[in-house]
Amino acid sequence: DTAVSQTPKYLVTQMGNDKSIKCEQNLGHDTMYWYKQDSKKFLKIMFSYNNKELIINETVPNRFSPKSPDKAHLNLHINSLELGDSAVYFCASSPSGGPVSQYFGPGTRLLVL
Amino acid sequence: AQSVTQLDSHVSVSEGTPVLLRCNYSSSYSPSLFWYVQHPNKGLQLLLKYTSAATLVKGINGFEAEFKKSETSFHLTKPSAHMSDAAEYFCVVSLYNQGGKLIFGQGTELSVKP
Repeated sequence: DTAVSQTPKYLVTQMGNDKSIKCEQNLGHDTMYWYKQDSKKFLKIMFSYNNKELIINETVPNRFSPKSPDKAHLNLHINSLELGDSAVYFCASSPSGGPVSQYFGPGTRLLVL
Repeated sequence: AQSVTQLDSHVSVSEGTPVLLRCNYSSSYSPSLFWYVQHPNKGLQLLLKYTSAATLVKGINGFEAEFKKSETSFHLTKPSAHMSDAAEYFCVVSLYNQGGKLIFGQGTELSVKP
C-alpha cells in the first residue's frame, strides 16, 4: 500500500496550459505539503495544509493554487504554465505541523515546452 | 534564521569504505534535524532524525549521525558503503515555530565505486 501517492508521475505540456497534480495520503496524517525541486535538486516548500486549512504559503506565484478537499488529499493546480515551472513537485504529509518526520510521495516530473 | 549547509556537493567512496557526509546547521532554537535520501528518479526517504533526545542517532541501512552543539554539526556516517547507497542525501532542519516547515540543504551526491 502506497503511503503518499501522486498522479501523474510525468506531465509534459505546452506553455500557457493549465494543469493539476493530485496527491493522496493514507497515513491518517493531519498535515500535507507541496515542495518544488529544481534542476539543481534544490528542494523548497511551497504550501502546507493542516486539516484542510492553509498554514504555510511561501512566496509562490498566484498561478499556483493548492486545494484540499479533505485532510487526505492536497491537489496543486497551476494556471498559465511557464518554462520556469518545469521541475519535480513532491507532496508530503506528517502527523502534525510541528518538527516531525514528513513522508514524501514519489514526485511528479513536470516539463513545460 | 535557521538554515543548513552541506559542505560537499559530491562525495565518492569505494564499496566497503566509510562514508562521511557533512552538514552544519544554524538555528536560534534547539533544532530538529533530519537526513533524507533520494535515489535516482525516486521520492525522498527519511534516514534518521534528531529531536533533542540522544545526540547519536541511528537510522536505517546502517547510517547514523551525531548532533554536536558545540560544532553546530550533524554529520552523517556509515562504516561501510554499499553500492546501493549511491544517491542524493539531504540534511534538513525543521522550523519549530513555522508549522514544521522543512529547510533543505543543497544536497550531497554520494557515488560508490566497486
